[in-house]
Amino acid sequence: EAQVTQNPRYLITVTGKKLTVTCSQNMNHEYMSWYRQDPGLGLRQIYYSMNVEVTDKGDVPEGYKVSRKEKRNFPLILESPSPNQTSLYFCASSFADRPYEQYFGPGTRLTVT
Amino acid sequence: KNQVEQSPQSLIILEGKNCTLQCNYTVSPFSNLRWYKQDTGRGPVSLTIMTFSENTKSNGRYTATLDADTKQSSLHITASQLSDSASYICVVSAYGTSYGKLTFGQGTILTVHP
Repeated sequence: EAQVTQNPRYLITVTGKKLTVTCSQNMNHEYMSWYRQDPGLGLRQIYYSMNVEVTDKGDVPEGYKVSRKEKRNFPLILESPSPNQTSLYFCASSFADRPYEQYFGPGTRLTVT
Repeated sequence: KNQVEQSPQSLIILEGKNCTLQCNYTVSPFSNLRWYKQDTGRGPVSLTIMTFSENTKSNGRYTATLDADTKQSSLHITASQLSDSASYICVVSAYGTSYGKLTFGQGTILTVHP
């Protein structure tokens, strides 16, 4: 089954403790992207990647890192999480020539205390 | 700055009724516009995509329109069902160096009551 998976689905952590949210897709998509969704603000793009070793900032990249060493994986790294990063995070993927036809993962709800 | 504005913010209708959601954008140069449906706590799912040359596109009970001159799009839902209760998000993408960068609207929360 074609899908985008994220892990963990739920995470509660404390300020400053480094964490990684994994994202994997099995559709051979070149394009992958991370979003956060907050009430009243909608979905905002954090980082995106057009292909392996190619990443670029979205609208809200501060406090986040990404890497794209393999085509199928696109982890989101929070080196020193803060409470304002409490949010619902989505990973998405698509073919590079159709970044608008994205398939979204199930979401990761992160709480930073 | 590229922006996408959706209205209304929320909408309550009775089952079986029709409704129309609006999306205005300032993204330039315009590439395409997509409507997504997002159920609570889940990832968005694509409903339809509109390119510059398209005026209307249907997907079952969903019909999207696009006016590239006025930079407006609408999503019309016919004979609403309880399962239509969700957030509807308008997403616009541009050509050029920001090809992979998408601009999302804040969404319209639709509630369908029996």
